[in-house]
Amino acid sequence: DTVLTQSPALAVSPGERVSISCRASEGVNSYMHWYQQKPGQQPKLLIYKASNLASGVPARFSGSGSGTDFTLTIDPVEADDTATYFCQQSWNDPFTFGSGTKLEIK
Amino acid sequence: QVQLKETGPGLVQPTQTLSITCTVSGFSLTSYYMQWVRQTPGKGLEWMGFIRSGGSTEYNSEFKSRLSISRDTSKNQVFLKMNSLKTEDTGVYYCARVYTEAKGGYYFDYWGQGVMVTVSS
Repeated sequence: DTVLTQSPALAVSPGERVSISCRASEGVNSYMHWYQQKPGQQPKLLIYKASNLASGVPARFSGSGSGTDFTLTIDPVEADDTATYFCQQSWNDPFTFGSGTKLEIK
Repeated sequence: QVQLKETGPGLVQPTQTLSITCTVSGFSLTSYYMQWVRQTPGKGLEWMGFIRSGGSTEYNSEFKSRLSISRDTSKNQVFLKMNSLKTEDTGVYYCARVYTEAKGGYYFDYWGQGVMVTVSS
């Protein structure tokens, strides 16, 4: 299975820029997607196919990357962005998710 | 608007069968794939399988031997059945709509709220 590696946690102050990384154990083309999950809620799609903003998602969120290295960027960060962010690949079978990066806003 | 809601038992005994229903509105099951994902303390988010708009299914090999996904389009419902439950199956089970493009283009644009399932005697 394709393993997606994310750093466990990050802490930033409001107004700053934050980059969350996701590294795949094998190439996934551009088929990496990002989700936001707030405590007690279901995941919400933020970015699809590496760099496309999902409907209704603020332009503060952006994505980049291809192959094995991908980045989700939030600029500027707001207090409401406190959440866990997951990457997910759909190029290789089975679809897999990263373990998530917990973002704390100081 | 698009809505998905899972219903199922909160508690299941080990070795028994789990049955969860996902009721959808705002779109047709014959136009979209639907999938099941679970979130467990031990393994995080895991894709379990999907049912295509045409009704065929695809399963993660991790679950293939004990998982069944089906649907009733007249009732706008998708079903998950998984047998031989173990304590490690404890977690939150989500249904989600799948947006599909060409090969590789599968992402999950709408999710249900999830149903918590505890496997315990």
